[in-house]
Amino acid sequence: EAGVTQFPSHSVIEKGQTVTLRCDPISGHDNLYWYRRVMGKEIKFLLHFVKESKQDESGMPNNRFLAERTGGTYSTLKVQPAELEDSGVYFCASSQELRDSPLHFGNGTRLTVT
Amino acid sequence: AQSVTQLGSHVSVSEGALVLLRCNYSSSVPPYLFWYVQYPNQGLQLLLKYTSAATLVKGINGFEAEFKKSETSFHLTKPSAHMSDAAEYFCAVSDPRGSQGNLIFGKGTKLSVKP
Repeated sequence: EAGVTQFPSHSVIEKGQTVTLRCDPISGHDNLYWYRRVMGKEIKFLLHFVKESKQDESGMPNNRFLAERTGGTYSTLKVQPAELEDSGVYFCASSQELRDSPLHFGNGTRLTVT
Repeated sequence: AQSVTQLGSHVSVSEGALVLLRCNYSSSVPPYLFWYVQYPNQGLQLLLKYTSAATLVKGINGFEAEFKKSETSFHLTKPSAHMSDAAEYFCAVSDPRGSQGNLIFGKGTKLSVKP
């Protein structure tokens, strides 16, 4: 089966610009998660979708971040306007509906804001 | 609140030597605990997890971890390191009452293996 796919793998933008990250989960996985790792820090949870609904968005840093999962398939994470502190690696993960299903992570998108 | 502390941001061992990566957790409820590995330019891969069954958990690639409640630890070990084990390792905790996908990670430990 195809794994979790993230696009782009790298993005370099200027402060104030907008960037949209995309995640395609494994087909049939209802759970989709976004995580972020700022350089030198821990990987931190951002939010969790169950199908198209936001189950938990307690980790979203501020209202410059907008996540969507229209139709319950792929998800996008938009940062608008980007700030320097948004630089980091953004990971997406997906899992099946079953409670103990393991997470499958994508390779991440490395975002650099200059 | 839950937290994870990984002692040592970098660990270097010789090929064939014991690998020991330390993880201590803090949790107000009995936690679920995980070890993930990230190879260069790849995503995180689950090595093993503890979910309140056996305290000694065996994972992939010869790794295992032991849950010690009295020490609030979940250290990762492998008897004999291979060159292919060089990667970054992350310990994580989750609240069993919530989603297993809402993980709290440690800062990671980079493992180097010398020939």
